[in-house]
Amino acid sequence: EVQLVESGGGLVQPGGSLRLSCAASGFTFSTYWMSWVRQAPGKGLEWVANINEDGSYKRYLDSVGGRFTISRDNAKNSLYLQMNSLRPEDTAVYYCVRDPSVGSQPYWGQGTLVTVSS
Amino acid sequence: SYELTQPPSVSVSPGQTARITCSGDALPKKYAYWYQQKSGQAPVLVIYEDSKRPSGIPERFSGSSSGTMATLTISGAQAEDEGDYYCYSTDSSGHPVFGGGTKLTVL
Repeated sequence: EVQLVESGGGLVQPGGSLRLSCAASGFTFSTYWMSWVRQAPGKGLEWVANINEDGSYKRYLDSVGGRFTISRDNAKNSLYLQMNSLRPEDTAVYYCVRDPSVGSQPYWGQGTLVTVSS
Repeated sequence: SYELTQPPSVSVSPGQTARITCSGDALPKKYAYWYQQKSGQAPVLVIYEDSKRPSGIPERFSGSSSGTMATLTISGAQAEDEGDYYCYSTDSSGHPVFGGGTKLTVL
């Protein structure tokens, strides 16, 4: 069974930093692209960043580029999101997602809440 | 930047067919995925690769795609199907994007 478990969310002041983690199990982690998706309170889903299988290629939402860094450790079956210079508008539930591939459906974690407030 | 366009809301009576559309220029070449989200819960995948249904999703959920529009159809909608529905796809270079979401009301 595919499982994705996020951790690391919490309350942080504007301008602060936070590192999210996602522990993956139930599939061969190193063979899938992975993403972070967020949802601000009362708003829709927003893709944030993704990373390819070996970590050599990364994409970012324009508004987080230069502030957020996605990374992975295939030996630990883990995905990360380092978030710096956080802004109130980054407040959201952040989900870890196994990206879809041909013939293979996407999978989501349950999310971790990040609140940026003074 | 690339956008997927959904109607903000769709309303049907119980037992009727609900159709939610998603339009995007890259959809002729890219798969569409559909998520259902109920209040306070994580999104649930209901359709992937345009028309495939994950295990455990009722048969009343179906998907199709033609040209620049993908459609999620709920045949015989039930009260439990109320919620927000999001389409997902990528642009021509593989950059992911979600539609703005559609609120389905069944009453």
